[in-house]
Amino acid sequence: AQSVTQLGSHVSVSEGALVLLRCNYSSSVPPYLFWYVQYPNQGLQLLLKYTTGATLVKGINGFEAEFKKSETSFHLTKPSAHMSDAAEYFCAVRPGGANSKLTFGKGITLSVRP
Amino acid sequence: KAGVTQTPRYLIKTRGQQVTLSCSPISGHRSVSWYQQTPGQGLQFLFEYFSETQRNKGNFPGRFSGRQFSNSRSEMNVSTLELGDSALYLCASSPGQGGPNTEAFFGQGTRLTVV
Repeated sequence: AQSVTQLGSHVSVSEGALVLLRCNYSSSVPPYLFWYVQYPNQGLQLLLKYTTGATLVKGINGFEAEFKKSETSFHLTKPSAHMSDAAEYFCAVRPGGANSKLTFGKGITLSVRP
Repeated sequence: KAGVTQTPRYLIKTRGQQVTLSCSPISGHRSVSWYQQTPGQGLQFLFEYFSETQRNKGNFPGRFSGRQFSNSRSEMNVSTLELGDSALYLCASSPGQGGPNTEAFFGQGTRLTVV
């Protein structure tokens, strides 16, 4: 079975500072990895995904993530935080193969201080 | 192209009642998944449908059921509601075969409160 660990439930950064949200996964087969963002009272929106190929993945709103197989990690970064980045962020894993299911981490709430 | 539409957005029910939630996927999407989101448990997978067939199921009691119609619209039903069923229920649709590397497009959810 697969699982996702997002350490900590809340991260606070200053506007303009680096954003780093950590994600570690476990999967018995090569996984597909996703980061989603959720704004209050909204559904989830895909930020980026890793399927195959380049391990550094660029997404929307200036976010990127690097797949590191040796560390089983898929950390999300953004060089300079903006107030509008305040939201909840979810890392998710879905193993390859038929009938696999998407498993989410617990989520991290990002606050951005002016 | 319209996004995933979930109705109703908010719902208040009494313990013991049953409830039906509806999800209309993005046009052309045939894969629909349902998730329950609570502060304590986070996002948990309920079930997935593709072409009217349940393809995968999470670890929820039999009170939770779903179905998909020929137009890909999906409903989920919860019978004999319990207080712990209070949650945001999210529906997502995916294009193509809905395989593991495809993006899931989420609706805004139905907020169910059981009193």
